[in-house]
Amino acid sequence: DTGVSQNPRHKITKRGQNVTFRCDPISEHNRLYWYRQTLGQGPEFLTYFQNEAQLEKSRLLSDRFSAERPKGSFSTLEIQRTEQGDSAMYLCAGRGESPNSPLHFGNGTRLTVT
Amino acid sequence: AQSVTQLGSHVSVSEGALVLLRCNYSSSVPPYLFWYVQYPNQGLQLLLKYTSAATLVKGINGFEAEFKKSETSFHLTKPSAHMSDAAEYFCAVSASGNRDDKIIFGKGTRLHILP
Repeated sequence: DTGVSQNPRHKITKRGQNVTFRCDPISEHNRLYWYRQTLGQGPEFLTYFQNEAQLEKSRLLSDRFSAERPKGSFSTLEIQRTEQGDSAMYLCAGRGESPNSPLHFGNGTRLTVT
Repeated sequence: AQSVTQLGSHVSVSEGALVLLRCNYSSSVPPYLFWYVQYPNQGLQLLLKYTSAATLVKGINGFEAEFKKSETSFHLTKPSAHMSDAAEYFCAVSASGNRDDKIIFGKGTRLHILP
């Protein structure tokens, strides 16, 4: 157990609806990452935060995606006007201060867009 | 920019045989390298990491990996496979010395253990 919690575990939504996912890292994780994973693929980087600052956002991420980390604690990832191509596992990971710190993943939120 | 290539999307070995999962990286600066394992319906779990302290890194569950700069490789091995090792394995890289850098993953190798 990495201590990183993601909710909900599963989300089924209809195309065009908005969805929001939440990630709670442990307090030692000043860095927080979001990845997306589809079947048979490795985790694909979406964005990351150092404390409350969003430092990088993947060019693959459309304007429909937005992430926040208010107060540098939990984080939310919102997808607006969902499309079937958004169906995937969304992974959150916390990371410590040290440059060589590994990622500690939560169990993910599986999104299905119908 | 960093990148990772994992050779072989599927690898099958017999129980008790040597496990070898291949990973080659590309990085313009000395890298940090990681191996993660993902069991069915579970999250990614860190197996081991290379951070320049030693080229041979030992991880959990009897796995180890050797960093070879000349070959830009970080292959994962285990002397004797167990049925419980069946899972998907991911190699990942980030740039050392840059604490703000992201970690990039390979596409993964699914390990099958034959009885």
